[in-house]
Amino acid sequence: TQLLEQSPQFLSIQEGENLTVYCNSSSVFSSLQWYRQEPGEGPVLLVTVVTGGEVKKLKRLTFQFGDARKDSSLHITAAQPGDTGLYLCAGGGSDGGSQGNLIFGKGTKLSVKP
Amino acid sequence: GAGVSQSPRYKVAKRGQDVALRCDPISGHVSLFWYQQALGQGPEFLTYFQNEAQLDKSGLPSDRFFAERPEGSVSTLKIQRTQQEDSAVYLCASSLFVSRLAGYNEQFFGPGTRLTVL
Repeated sequence: TQLLEQSPQFLSIQEGENLTVYCNSSSVFSSLQWYRQEPGEGPVLLVTVVTGGEVKKLKRLTFQFGDARKDSSLHITAAQPGDTGLYLCAGGGSDGGSQGNLIFGKGTKLSVKP
Repeated sequence: GAGVSQSPRYKVAKRGQDVALRCDPISGHVSLFWYQQALGQGPEFLTYFQNEAQLDKSGLPSDRFFAERPEGSVSTLKIQRTQQEDSAVYLCASSLFVSRLAGYNEQFFGPGTRLTVL
């Protein structure tokens, strides 16, 4: 069974603080995606990383794919209340897995208080 | 352009009833996926279509679950004889294509259908 473990599961911080969310697996993935989901909505894609060691930046968000393509991290600088939501990592094209589906972590529920 | 749409957004069913959930993918997207998301959890894969062909249904939890995409566009997920454990949000996602070589699989999600079985 391929699993993506996300940590922490819950995070409550004050506006302006920095934070990092981790996504780890024993499986190698061809690609890894980060989504943000708000209550009552479907996940919205933030970024896709495909190369081991790759770093992508999206404004105050920095995404990194591990060298071995088994883990990833999301770092948010100077968090704002608008960053509140459920952050999901999802792996695609894992070794031995179905070529189509994504394997999702359980998510990190982030709350940023003003 | 229009995103993925799902209907109904909310469905309440009595235990034992049959339900049908509809997904309209992004126009031109070849691949379509169904996921089940329990409260407080990440989405879990149910089934995957490439055009009208159902290439993977390994995630369907029982033979009460059935999905189809007869013309390679709109898809319907049907649940027969619903049980309380079927209560969840059912998400549909579409993707332009799926390439095993590229391992690249960017999926766009609909808002989901929240199913409550009483």
